[in-house]
Amino acid sequence: NAGVTQTPKFRVLKTGQSMTLLCAQDMNHEYMYWYRQDPGMGLRLIHYSVGEGTTAKGEVPDGYNVSRLKKQNFLLGLESAAPSQTSVYFCASSPRGEQFFGPGTRLTVL
Amino acid sequence: KNEVEQSPQNLTAQEGEFITINCSYSVGISALHWLQQHPGGGIVSLFMLSSGKKKHGRLIATINIQEKHSSLHITASHPRDSAVYICAAPLGGGADGLTFGKGTHLIIQP
Repeated sequence: NAGVTQTPKFRVLKTGQSMTLLCAQDMNHEYMYWYRQDPGMGLRLIHYSVGEGTTAKGEVPDGYNVSRLKKQNFLLGLESAAPSQTSVYFCASSPRGEQFFGPGTRLTVL
Repeated sequence: KNEVEQSPQNLTAQEGEFITINCSYSVGISALHWLQQHPGGGIVSLFMLSSGKKKHGRLIATINIQEKHSSLHITASHPRDSAVYICAAPLGGGADGLTFGKGTHLIIQP
């Protein structure tokens, strides 16, 4: 089992560009989450999903959109990237309880 | 929304010392999480506990639900324990997902 994987691992964008981060899990978990981690701050919840076809907003959802068309995949989209979205993005999945984290995506917006 | 505070922010100790990291939260919860973030950035779940104490190897986690406080202890610390330890609690406010402390950066010197 690969667990939770994230694509890409690194990305540099220019302000205004768009991109999609992909999270995939092979553990058949219902719950999936997107977090961002910034220096000096704890991880913060962006969006989450409690099952295929569902999404909900977390603490810091502005500027992001998500989709969960398939149970195993959770996509995070940035329609018009801003320098404030420079961060490390972590995806996690859960059967309800313990969370399993992906390796992270380091995104820089210039 | 739950608020999570950790202390200390930084801790340097000698190999073999007994380590204690503290966590407090503001709203009653169903379970508290302890996570470890390796120097390379990966995040691993160590414990999820709702009452009493849990032990895994040299790691011990305790929680006092009435006082809204948890501790993570490391016995016979070793340089390979050097990492960031993060406490997390349910976000609350109707949202799923976790809210995180800022982490404790632990360095164990040989």
